[in-house]
Amino acid sequence: GNSVTQMEGPVTLSEEAFLTINCTYTATGYPSLFWYVQYPGEGLQLLLKATKADDKGSNKGFEATYRKETTSFHLEKGSVQVSDSAVYFCARTGSGGGADGLTFGKGTHLIIQP
Amino acid sequence: EAGVAQSPRYKIIEKRQSVAFWCNPISGHATLYWYQQILGQGPKLLIQFQNNGVVDDSQLPKDRFSAERLKGVDSTLKIQPAKLEDSAVYLCASSLYSGGGLSTDTQYFGPGTRLTVL
Repeated sequence: GNSVTQMEGPVTLSEEAFLTINCTYTATGYPSLFWYVQYPGEGLQLLLKATKADDKGSNKGFEATYRKETTSFHLEKGSVQVSDSAVYFCARTGSGGGADGLTFGKGTHLIIQP
Repeated sequence: EAGVAQSPRYKIIEKRQSVAFWCNPISGHATLYWYQQILGQGPKLLIQFQNNGVVDDSQLPKDRFSAERLKGVDSTLKIQPAKLEDSAVYLCASSLYSGGGLSTDTQYFGPGTRLTVL
């Protein structure tokens, strides 16, 4: 079946450090890929998405590129801030199209220290 | 634009009791989803509606969980009877998608209902 695997947390970085959170997905069908973020005390928010191979999603300085050859969608940011501290979820749609329910990874808790 | 609304925000019940959660999606959104998020895990899809019809309920424990979406707008999710392992956050999400082929409409999530079963 469909699944998403992302790196375990927590990930602790200093402010202005480079961030990478790894995400890989099972290679079934032609899913759309997403990163959602959950700030403390808030609901899930879409951070970025990519709908086909080689697409790059970007938002708020974060980027992720849909790599079909490695079935990956790693999240990167060049210089993190304390306000980026949150839980990040990688997700994919099913094989049937973008309206399918999402399959999420377990989440990565990111902690940025000043 | 108002977001996805859910109520209650918190609920504490004893095992074997029943509980219901309510969701009001973003206006005009045809597709509605219920997810269960157990502490330390990612959300898991329970059921998906398109308008007032069920599209996918393959992961819904139908012996105790039920859901409906009357008139294709609001939805309720019910658990009867509740078990300890049902303690989780129940998330409702909606998207514009109304059928007719591949789509990548974004799912917008509500704040969730945190259920504790004692």
